[in-house]
Amino acid sequence: DAGVIQSPRHEVTEMGQEVTLRCKPISGHDYLFWYRQTMMRGLELLIYFNNNVPIDDSGMPEDRFSAKMPNASFSTLKIQPSEPRDSAVYFCASTPRLTSDNEQFFGPGTRLTVL
Amino acid sequence: EDQVTQSPEALRLQEGESSSLNCSYTVSGLRGLFWYRQDPGKGPEFLFTLYSAGEEKEKERLKATLTKKESFLHITAPKPEDSATYLCAVRPNTGFQKLVFGTGTRLLVSP
Repeated sequence: DAGVIQSPRHEVTEMGQEVTLRCKPISGHDYLFWYRQTMMRGLELLIYFNNNVPIDDSGMPEDRFSAKMPNASFSTLKIQPSEPRDSAVYFCASTPRLTSDNEQFFGPGTRLTVL
Repeated sequence: EDQVTQSPEALRLQEGESSSLNCSYTVSGLRGLFWYRQDPGKGPEFLFTLYSAGEEKEKERLKATLTKKESFLHITAPKPEDSATYLCAVRPNTGFQKLVFGTGTRLLVSP
């Protein structure tokens, strides 16, 4: 049974370039989360979706960040233009619908480096 | 503001040397406190959920406890494979599925 799938695993880009991170949640999970992890701030929630609809995007740092979920099996997090301070590990997580207090299942993450 | 503080930041133990990790929190109504384990280069992996003060849960060498202000993760007779970063998170009453994480404790167990 495949877990949460993220791509790419590593991304190195130059300041000003557009970056797109991808996520495939676990089949049947209705909630999808995007997190950012840094040494200084730890794991921070950026945005989450329920049934493909964004519910809370208060953690999105600024307008350069956008996230979409066009269907139940795919989501993207886009940064345009990217800046060096965006360098971090970005995680996608999903959780099923039935029990609201279920744990979240995390993907392996995308390590982003912006030069 | 909901906040989670974990201590120590890093902990080095000898194999078999028991210890505890601390997670103190301030939250606007606690719906749950979560412990996760994170190995290098991987995403966090769920360990426990605690819901009310006095609750305890165990898994192998790990035992999590909860009070009204903090949680402890006790590690009994640790082994090198217990080396990882342990993350604590709270789910506030405000925010149906939102988790607020601490910065974690990096545990290294030497043989």
